[in-house]
Amino acid sequence: ELKVEQNPLFLSMQEGKNYTIYCNYSTTSDRLYWYRQDPGKSLESLFVLLSNGAVKQEGRLMASLDTKARLSTLHITAAVHDLSATYFCAVATTSGTYKYIFGTGTRLKVLA
Amino acid sequence: DSGVTQTPKHLITATGQRVTLRCSPRSGDLSVYWYQQSLDQGLQFLIQYYNGEERAKGNILERFSAQQFPDLHSELNLSSLELGDSALYFCASSDPFSHEQFFGPGTRLTVL
Repeated sequence: ELKVEQNPLFLSMQEGKNYTIYCNYSTTSDRLYWYRQDPGKSLESLFVLLSNGAVKQEGRLMASLDTKARLSTLHITAAVHDLSATYFCAVATTSGTYKYIFGTGTRLKVLA
Repeated sequence: DSGVTQTPKHLITATGQRVTLRCSPRSGDLSVYWYQQSLDQGLQFLIQYYNGEERAKGNILERFSAQQFPDLHSELNLSSLELGDSALYFCASSDPFSHEQFFGPGTRLTVL
């Protein structure tokens, strides 16, 4: 069964600091996604990672994928208050029965 | 704006009632997904349709049903509503190549 785990679940950090959110998954997958959700709002797609070693960056966020380790990371550089949100990773498998599973989410709070 | 539309935005109803939530995918997307997000909870995958046919089923209650019509819009029907059904219901459609999901604004259902 495909399981997706994120840690930490909650993260409170000071502005200007760096931190990494981890996304582990339990079965072979060749595609991983990161989303952002503001309170009471919808989910916004951040990154699509489609191959081993893929790295994508947008502003202060950088995502990477290691399919051998079944691990993706979302690295935050020099956090700012506007990055406060919940971040979800999601994993899709297209072999056999198609599945698309979201992680539990990481609630990030950046303190001024 | 993701291009996915959902109506209504808010819905308040009583226990035991039945409601219908509507979703239109992005132009060109054939897949529609439904998710439930309860307060402070992660995303629970309910069901997926692809070009009118059910493709995958998640934690969808028997009181809930969905369908996708020839014009690709989808409806989620919730019946015999209970207090615990109060949640945000999201619809998403996916890019046919990357499978990246694009989420609608959601319908907030309140069952009193």
